[in-house]
Amino acid sequence: DAGVIQSPRHEVTEMGQEVTLRCKPISGHDYLFWYRQTMMRGLELLIYFNNNVPIDDSGMPEDRFSAKMPNASFSTLKIQPSEPRDSAVYFCASSLRGGEQFFGPGTRLTVL
Amino acid sequence: TQLLEQSPQFLSIQEGENLTVYCNSSSVFSSLQWYRQEPGEGPVLLVTVVTGGEVKKLKRLTFQFGDARKDSSLHITAAQPGDTGLYLCAGTGGFKTIFGAGTRLFVKA
Repeated sequence: DAGVIQSPRHEVTEMGQEVTLRCKPISGHDYLFWYRQTMMRGLELLIYFNNNVPIDDSGMPEDRFSAKMPNASFSTLKIQPSEPRDSAVYFCASSLRGGEQFFGPGTRLTVL
Repeated sequence: TQLLEQSPQFLSIQEGENLTVYCNSSSVFSSLQWYRQEPGEGPVLLVTVVTGGEVKKLKRLTFQFGDARKDSSLHITAAQPGDTGLYLCAGTGGFKTIFGAGTRLFVKA
């Protein structure tokens, strides 16, 4: 079975542009998490969903960040407008009933 | 605010040496996990410890959860170049997990 799938793997954009990151969780998993990883701050939880419903978005840094989960097999993280300080690796993870989290390969975002 | 501190931040050792990395917090967690992350990939779960004082072994890796469930250690015996990577501890309370900054391990052949 495929693991968590993220796209794109790399994204380079200019400041002010809209960025959309995509995630397909493992089939059957009911929890989905979005994380951001930087050298300075490590791995930070941005938001997580349970059964497609956002449960805790307290880690979302600003209103420029938004996340949706329209169905059990797809989620997006959008940054609009993007800024250079948003440059990081963004990970999506999924789990079954809140157990072990399986991480995707990440999207490396560079905002120039 | 819950915080997990890992030490050391960076460790470079020779193949065959033993090492211990630490994960400390002032908060109590219902469980604690250790992950290993390689460049260009997401973290992969190594072990979950739940009970205070619990010790788990995974080949040459030994994980211990503190009696008060606030801290943990990871000991690697006879390190090998394949052990190179970023080791992250993570504490879970409810369904929320927080991660430490990680220990970056480099094992030289």
